[in-house]
Amino acid sequence: QQKVQQSPESLTVSEGAMASLNCTFSDGTSNNFRWYRQHSAKGLEVLVSIFSDGEKEEGRFTAHLNRANLHVSLHIREPQPSDSAVYLCAVSMSSGGSNYKLTFGKGTLLTVTP
Amino acid sequence: EAAVTQSPRNKVAVTGGKVTLSCNQTNNHNNMYWYRQDTGHGLRLIHYSYGAGSTEKGDIPDGYKASRPSQENFSLILELATPSQTSVYFCASGDPNYAEQFFGPGTRLTVL
Repeated sequence: QQKVQQSPESLTVSEGAMASLNCTFSDGTSNNFRWYRQHSAKGLEVLVSIFSDGEKEEGRFTAHLNRANLHVSLHIREPQPSDSAVYLCAVSMSSGGSNYKLTFGKGTLLTVTP
Repeated sequence: EAAVTQSPRNKVAVTGGKVTLSCNQTNNHNNMYWYRQDTGHGLRLIHYSYGAGSTEKGDIPDGYKASRPSQENFSLILELATPSQTSVYFCASGDPNYAEQFFGPGTRLTVL
């Protein structure tokens, strides 16, 4: 069964400094990776999706995928206090047909201080 | 305009009572999902559906039933609620040809 682990559990950065979050997964055949943001007591907002090794940028959010190392990361450029939230990594495999099942990490709590 | 909505947003239930959580989506997605989120566990999949009339077991289905009467609606049913089912429940919809899922705002359930 797929295992997804995120690190660190919590991270505090100053406004404007780069924030880097990590996610490792156990199944090397995984081919769909997403980063979600969850503000307190709110739903999940997808930030960036990546499907092949390399880099994918969406505004201030950049995901890096290295499937050989079973690792995907999220880098947040110029973070703002409004980016303070829990960040969730989600990994899934395309099995053909319609069965896409996401496995989530436990999340990283990011706090951005002014 | 919110594409995935959940009701109620907050619910307090008694042990042994029946609880129904409802989800509605306007994305016209075939797939819908129910997750629970607990501290230390992240989001875990309870049940999911490929379309109207279909329900499938996820990773933690025990104690839960699901119902998908239409493309738009997907319910999670706790026939005999227990305190261990106190959690935040999220519904999501997704396109079967693309793994992205769109989440509702969540329902906070407390079972006393």
